[in-house]
Amino acid sequence: DADVTQTPRNRITKTGKRIMLECSQTKGHDRMYWYRQDPGLGLRLIYYSFDVKDINKGEISDGYSVSRQAQAKFSLSLESAIPNQTALYFCATSDFADTDTQYFGPGTRLTVL
Amino acid sequence: RKEVEQDPGPFNVPEGATVAFNCTYSNSASQSFFWYRQDCRKEPKLLMSVYSSGNEDGRFTAQLNRASQYISLLIRDSKLSDSATYLCVVPSDTGRRALTFGSGTRLQVQP
Repeated sequence: DADVTQTPRNRITKTGKRIMLECSQTKGHDRMYWYRQDPGLGLRLIYYSFDVKDINKGEISDGYSVSRQAQAKFSLSLESAIPNQTALYFCATSDFADTDTQYFGPGTRLTVL
Repeated sequence: RKEVEQDPGPFNVPEGATVAFNCTYSNSASQSFFWYRQDCRKEPKLLMSVYSSGNEDGRFTAQLNRASQYISLLIRDSKLSDSATYLCVVPSDTGRRALTFGSGTRLQVQP
């Protein structure tokens, strides 16, 4: 079984809808991250969390919110989706002892019409 | 200068060739650097870490030039399976405790 899982893997939605992307991990890592990837722009950090009570904005947090429900779960919400939020979204984890090595989930392909 | 800059490629090389990618970074205080590999429509995976002047792992060599603020990835004896996008990664210089990913260099190894 994969150590980092994301649901859904693909989602098509309409402008204005609320969307939640979920991430779960069995690695026992305390740090979790959400990125989006757009062609030619690489991975950009949306939010990150170093433990359940520590949530930080990343480079592009506007239009997104997160919830760290437990050490193993980190959800990303789009309160009112817009077309330029169409992207590939990745969740990642890392261990406090080796912060620089990040383990990624398989990604969620989100399309906002 | 952007935090991390890479030539997007694609680099098209024949099997067995040696190919090198460069990556420049802006944060002169960075102490650690990374190369991640990303296959098409898949998640990135750590390929190599670089903490001093360089690192070697089989056919892959990463070198660091602190004076010029660039790191390179050299792949010898290219295999078809090396075809992927290679992401250069450095610690963020924005004060956030995070990593900054380059946009990647695409490699296509041809038979």
